[in-house]
Amino acid sequence: GQQVMQIPQYQHVQEGEDFTTYCNSSTTLSNIQWYKQRPGGHPVFLIQLVKSGEVKKQKRLTFQFGEAKKNSSLHITATQTTDVGTYFCALKLTFGKGITLSVRP
Amino acid sequence: DAGVIQSPRHEVTEMGQEVTLRCKPISGHDYLFWYRQTMMRGLELLIYFNNNVPIDDSGMPEDRFSAKMPNASFSTLKIQPSEPRDSAVYFCASSLRDPTRASPLHFGNGTRLTVT
Repeated sequence: GQQVMQIPQYQHVQEGEDFTTYCNSSTTLSNIQWYKQRPGGHPVFLIQLVKSGEVKKQKRLTFQFGEAKKNSSLHITATQTTDVGTYFCALKLTFGKGITLSVRP
Repeated sequence: DAGVIQSPRHEVTEMGQEVTLRCKPISGHDYLFWYRQTMMRGLELLIYFNNNVPIDDSGMPEDRFSAKMPNASFSTLKIQPSEPRDSAVYFCASSLRDPTRASPLHFGNGTRLTVT
């Protein structure tokens, strides 16, 4: 089945810095979902992208679906300690390995 | 809305014992999923149900694992006999509509299983 790849698995940033991560596929995606899991918590649905080139914003988070629908990005502006956690992209029922973000205060 | 409810939150058991994990999905959600999360393998789908009927159990690792959904408000995941490599966090999730058509999943708090 289709798989999504997230590399790297860990990233450390200074509070206030911007952060961008990507989700990639070798095949065209029908849609992509993003989830966030806080340390010790459970995955929580953030957003869903369906259209080519689609951009959606949630406060400081910006999600984009690639024009070819083979990748998606998550950008966080001016990271805060509350952004700490693991961000997963998911296609249908398959989750990527996620990227764990840590923020130095 | 109470969300997806799982019990127990933590389970510690000895190798060879039977383990039963429980889940109550969000009322009205037609789909129920069992996932396993480990550091090495990430989030893996074990099985999912639609209207209490198992649709895809290809992720169930071995015959030691079984899942049931006797009614719309309850599901169990059973491991018999348990082994140390089964140690993981097991999540139950539910969705209102077909998630393969982009309906979001709502996860429970998970059960952390430790098999010694």
